[in-house]
Amino acid sequence: DVKVTQSSRYLVKRTGEKVFLECVQDMDHENMFWYRQDPGLGLRLIYFSYDVKMKEKGDIPEGYSVSREKKERFSLILESASTNQTSMYLCASSRTSGSPEQYFGPGTRLTVT
Amino acid sequence: GQNIDQPTEMTATEGAIVQINCTYQTSGFNGLFWYQQHAGEAPTFLSYNVLDGLEEKGRFSSFLSRSKGYSYLLLKELQMKDSASYLCAVSRSGGYQKVTFGTGTKLQVIP
Repeated sequence: DVKVTQSSRYLVKRTGEKVFLECVQDMDHENMFWYRQDPGLGLRLIYFSYDVKMKEKGDIPEGYSVSREKKERFSLILESASTNQTSMYLCASSRTSGSPEQYFGPGTRLTVT
Repeated sequence: GQNIDQPTEMTATEGAIVQINCTYQTSGFNGLFWYQQHAGEAPTFLSYNVLDGLEEKGRFSSFLSRSKGYSYLLLKELQMKDSASYLCAVSRSGGYQKVTFGTGTKLQVIP
C-alpha cells in the first residue's frame, strides 16, 4: 500500500517561530511537492522537488523554503511563521515516468498565533 | 497565467447522474487531472486526460476538449459516499510536475 506520511496532523506555532513540516514517502518516487490548501483558493503549489537536492519554486514560494537531502523525505520550512501562513499543508509525491498521479499525505493543519 | 473555473457547489440525488464542468485557460497545457477529496482527507486521483475524448472508469468518466479548454467529470449511479469535493487540475509544460488546481466543486448527494 502506497504511503505518504506527514510528521504532524495538527500544529500550533507562534508568530516568528521557525517551523519544520516533514513528509516521507515509501514509493521511491522522484517528485515531491508541498501545497497549501485554503477555503476558496484551492490547492496552491509552494515548492516541488524532482530529485535529491533539486527544487523548483511553485506559485507561492514567498516565506517558505524546502530541503530534500534524501529521496524519500521532503521538508517544508517556514523561516519566521506569520499568521497568514495558517493553513492546511499537503505533501504529495509522484513518479517521473509512468502514471502521473500524485499521492497525497493526510495533511498538517498549521495554526500560527 | 493560469485560470481554472469550476462550480463551487452542486447537489444531486442518489442513483442519478451528475456532470461537473471545468474550464481552463493556461499556457503550455499538458493534460488535465480530476481528484476526489472527502472532507478532512487527502485528495485521491480519479483520472488524467491528455487527448480529446471521453475516458471511462467504472461509474466515473472524464472528458477533455483541448481546443475548447473544457473538461467534465461524469458520475453515474450516484452513491452517498460520492459526497466530496472534486478538484480539476491542469498540468503545464515541462512535464506534469507543475500542476495548477481549481478551487474544487463540493458535491452533495442527497437521498
